Amino acid sequence: SQTIHQWPATLVQPVGSPLSLECTVEGTSNPNLYWYRQAAGRGLQLLFYSVGIGQISSEVPQNLSASRPQDRQFILSSKKLLLSDSGFYLCAWSAGQTGNTIYFGEGSWLTVV
Amino acid sequence: TQLLEQSPQFLSIQEGENLTVYCNSSSVFSSLQWYRQEPGEGPVLLVTVVTGGEVKKLKRLTFQFGDARKDSSLHITAAQPGDTGLYLCAGDSGYALNFGKGTSLLVTP
Repeated sequence: SQTIHQWPATLVQPVGSPLSLECTVEGTSNPNLYWYRQAAGRGLQLLFYSVGIGQISSEVPQNLSASRPQDRQFILSSKKLLLSDSGFYLCAWSAGQTGNTIYFGEGSWLTVV
Repeated sequence: TQLLEQSPQFLSIQEGENLTVYCNSSSVFSSLQWYRQEPGEGPVLLVTVVTGGEVKKLKRLTFQFGDARKDSSLHITAAQPGDTGLYLCAGDSGYALNFGKGTSLLVTP
């Protein structure tokens, strides 16, 4: 069966520090991968999606970046965090065809202080 | 970006009551999905609707996709405290899912 894991689960970082959130998917190959952000327990904002290794599309211009060094690995990064980067970050995957079910990871709480 | 509007934003009811939440858009979607999310966790898929006018039932939950595939509703019969959570609708935008802001439901005993 397929599983998705992301870490760390909770992170408190000072303004201006770097960020790295990691996500891995097991039990499937060539998945579509996504990073969403959710503020204050409300709607999900799509940040990045990837249809293959090294292929990253950004939905919202900001100081975050994403990379996909391996087929089932998706990394969200920042060189310098802002207070506004605080939120609940969710990694997700789908089987590759649009409209398929999206499966979410456990989420990572980021607080920038 | 295709926008999905959900209403109401917040709903607080007592156990045993019925409720309906709505998801509306001006765009046509090839499919629409409903998720439920509990605090501190990722959303979990409840149902996918594909055909205009489609009705799907999941125990006490009834999902309907509008004839024009622009809107959807979720009806819960005899709500229970375990139904508490954030209900999100999401539409297929062609490369990812676009989510509404959700309806936060609280069911008190």
